[in-house]
Amino acid sequence: GQQVMQIPQYQHVQEGEDFTTYCNSSTTLSNIQWYKQRPGGHPVFLIQLVKSGEVKKQKRLTFQFGEAKKNSSLHITATQTTDVGTYFCAVTKIMYSGGGADGLTFGKGTHLIIQP
Amino acid sequence: AAGVIQSPRHLIKEKRETATLKCYPIPRHDTVYWYQQGPGQDPQFLISFYEKMQSDKGSIPDRFSAQQFSDYHSELNMSSLELGDSALYFCASSLEGQGATQYFGPGTRLLVL
Repeated sequence: GQQVMQIPQYQHVQEGEDFTTYCNSSTTLSNIQWYKQRPGGHPVFLIQLVKSGEVKKQKRLTFQFGEAKKNSSLHITATQTTDVGTYFCAVTKIMYSGGGADGLTFGKGTHLIIQP
Repeated sequence: AAGVIQSPRHLIKEKRETATLKCYPIPRHDTVYWYQQGPGQDPQFLISFYEKMQSDKGSIPDRFSAQQFSDYHSELNMSSLELGDSALYFCASSLEGQGATQYFGPGTRLLVL
């Protein structure tokens, strides 16, 4: 099945430092999604990337999709305590049969820990 | 805005008992997904329904079954519960299935003793 490797597993940063998490696949992805899960919370959709080389920004968050559509990254500039949580990338199957609803395969997640 | 509703939010069961989890999707959403998340783990896809038909199947044990009803709500039925079934169970919903953004509910925390 579709798999995606996510690193690092944990990232400790000082408040104000930058943070980056990476996802890599051995096969070409149709799209990649990013979710954030706060401690004790549920996954919250952040963004979906579809196009090769796509870059999207949401305030201090920058999302990139590789040219070969095999990797993606999420970069947070100047982290704040509100950024604490686990960031997951997630992918669906490559084959689109038309209609229906494929489940997401999540990366293992990167736990962002911020020290004030 | 209305979100996905899950009930109950917490559930404690004994081994070999049964449990039923309910999910009410965002209004007008026609697709529901079920995920299981163990402590410190990533969510694992179990099963999905699109327009009341089973659409995709993941790592759902044979002891579990699910269905989507005419009002689009869904129920996950779990039988012969095992200690390892203790986890967070999330339901997500989307509009028009494939490729659509999935919106997750708050989850049901199941503890099997």
